[in-house]
Amino acid sequence: NAGVTQTPKFRILKIGQSMTLQCAQDMNHNYMYWYRQDPGMGLKLIYYSVGAGITDKGEVPNGYNVSRSTTEDFPLRLELAAPSQTSVYFCASSYSQGAGATEAFFGQGTRLTVV
Amino acid sequence: DAKTTQPPSMDCAEGRAANLPCNHSTISGNEYVYWYRQIHSQGPQYIIHGLKNNETNEMASLIITEDRKSSTLILPHATLRDTAVYYCILMGSGGSNYKLTFGKGTLLTVNP
Repeated sequence: NAGVTQTPKFRILKIGQSMTLQCAQDMNHNYMYWYRQDPGMGLKLIYYSVGAGITDKGEVPNGYNVSRSTTEDFPLRLELAAPSQTSVYFCASSYSQGAGATEAFFGQGTRLTVV
Repeated sequence: DAKTTQPPSMDCAEGRAANLPCNHSTISGNEYVYWYRQIHSQGPQYIIHGLKNNETNEMASLIITEDRKSSTLILPHATLRDTAVYYCILMGSGGSNYKLTFGKGTLLTVNP
């Protein structure tokens, strides 16, 4: 059971380039999340999804886009990368049927540097 | 608006119990209290959660006051590997209430 898998683990981007951070889970979880964590800071929610075809903004969505075409995958797209997007990105998933939610499982993170 | 309030840092001696407080005076009736921790550079790890009853698992105990306005996470025998940032989070039922938002947490340092 792989859990939550993020790719790539590390990436260096030039200003203005674009890329997609991949996230996949094999636990049939309906909820998926993307976070960023700047050095020495807490996690900030970028986007989340409550199921395939449904996404919503979190605290810091500007500069990012997401899609959820399947239950398993939740890619995060960076358009026109900026130095302010240098961060560690975490993907997570959890399951809920309405009353409470299971524990959220996190990926190992993607360390992105924009130069 | 911060829904939970935690001390920014705490120290604990190795082998002793670590008691981490969390205030959530505006908690709603359908909101659960969740605890996660983040060990340096790793993804957060789930610890425990509860609604109104005290809960215990292999990692920790969660004590929720009767009025549900505060809770305490207890690590019964802290080890050096428990040094981490601990987050207390409220989550409701369904839809956007499950957007799992992290606050600043408490940095617990376990000392030898």
